[in-house]
Amino acid sequence: AQSVSQHNHHVILSEAASLELGCNYSYGGTVNLFWYVQYPGQHLQLLLKYFSGDPLVKGIKGFEAEFIKSKFSFNLRKPSVQWSDTAEYFCAVVMEYGNKLVFGAGTILRVKS
Amino acid sequence: NAGVTQTPKFQVLKTGQSMTLQCAQDMNHNSMYWYRQDPGMGLRLIYYSASEGTTDKGEVPNGYNVSRLNKREFSLRLESAAPSQTSVYFCASRDRGYNEQFFGPGTRLTVL
Repeated sequence: AQSVSQHNHHVILSEAASLELGCNYSYGGTVNLFWYVQYPGQHLQLLLKYFSGDPLVKGIKGFEAEFIKSKFSFNLRKPSVQWSDTAEYFCAVVMEYGNKLVFGAGTILRVKS
Repeated sequence: NAGVTQTPKFQVLKTGQSMTLQCAQDMNHNSMYWYRQDPGMGLRLIYYSASEGTTDKGEVPNGYNVSRLNKREFSLRLESAAPSQTSVYFCASRDRGYNEQFFGPGTRLTVL
């Protein structure tokens, strides 16, 4: 069965620090990859997605992610975080043409102002 | 467009009570999903409906039933609530041919 691992459950950063959140998945076939964000008290919103093509994808609010097929990874990055990035971040994977997203456990990011 | 809507937003039940969580989407999506979110466990799929008239079990279906009432609506029923079902429940929908899912605002359920 597919699984998704997110390396850190809690991350605390100061404003302007750089962010990298790790995500690895276990599935050998073609996948579609997503990062979702959940701001406090809100529902999940799509941050960015990878279906095919350029493995470096750019999302909203200055986030980007790199798909490295050989490492089964899809890490999320942001060069300089802001206090408003405080949220929980979820990596998710679905098999190409599949029906079901599999989510990681989530990473709670707290940015100190 | 309202997107995906869920009712109620909050609910408190006693052990053994039943209730139905409602979900509707106005994006004409084919597939709909119910997840539960628990701290440190991410979102886990309870049931999904790939298209109107079909439903399938997800990762954690025990204690739940679903009904795909029509293309717009997908309800989740707890027949006899248990404290282990205390959670935040999210409904989502997806269009055919695309894998991006759109989420509702969630229902926070507490079972005492």
